[in-house]
Amino acid sequence: GIQVEQSPPDLILQEGANSTLRCNFSDSVNNLQWFHQNPWGQLINLFYIPSGTKQNGRLSATTVATERYSLLYISSSQTTDSGVYFCAVDYSNSGYALNFGKGTSLLVTP
Amino acid sequence: SQTIHQWPATLVQPVGSPLSLECTVEGTSNPNLYWYRQAAGRGLQLLFYSVGIGQISSEVPQNLSASRPQDRQFILSSKKLLLSDSGFYLCAWKTGGEQYFGPGTRLTVT
Repeated sequence: GIQVEQSPPDLILQEGANSTLRCNFSDSVNNLQWFHQNPWGQLINLFYIPSGTKQNGRLSATTVATERYSLLYISSSQTTDSGVYFCAVDYSNSGYALNFGKGTSLLVTP
Repeated sequence: SQTIHQWPATLVQPVGSPLSLECTVEGTSNPNLYWYRQAAGRGLQLLFYSVGIGQISSEVPQNLSASRPQDRQFILSSKKLLLSDSGFYLCAWKTGGEQYFGPGTRLTVT
């Protein structure tokens, strides 16, 4: 199956700092999504981004499908940004289910 | 707008007991439905998916089963729980490109 690798696995930032999270995938995909898992476990949709660049407030994402990677940018981080960030890709078998990376655990300190 | 419900939110069950987790989706028709499990440590694993009523595909052989008795209802079951069944169970739906997740059920098998 498709391999999804995220880096870094863990990240500690001071409030106000910027960060870049990376997602590499091993094959062509139909779709790529970024999620934030909050402390209660809820997976919150951040971006649906099979290609191109999108921005939502302090967050933005870029997917370069031809080179099989995606980047999530977090600017001016806040303590509420803490949690685990997942990249997930879907593929045509398994009913377009998502194949998840292992996530980046982000801690933003005051 | 679409919403997805899961219950119960938390569950503690002894080894060997049965299990039934329910997921319902509102505001959409004929969605693809999915069950994922997240064990301690992060990664999400696809367990089952369904592209229509009565159609279930299993990704991981185990003592769990799934059923889709109605278009927007997805049930995860077990006849006899194992300790290894502990985890966070997430239901998800998809129509078109993006996938959305329910709030999850945290299962502890004792």
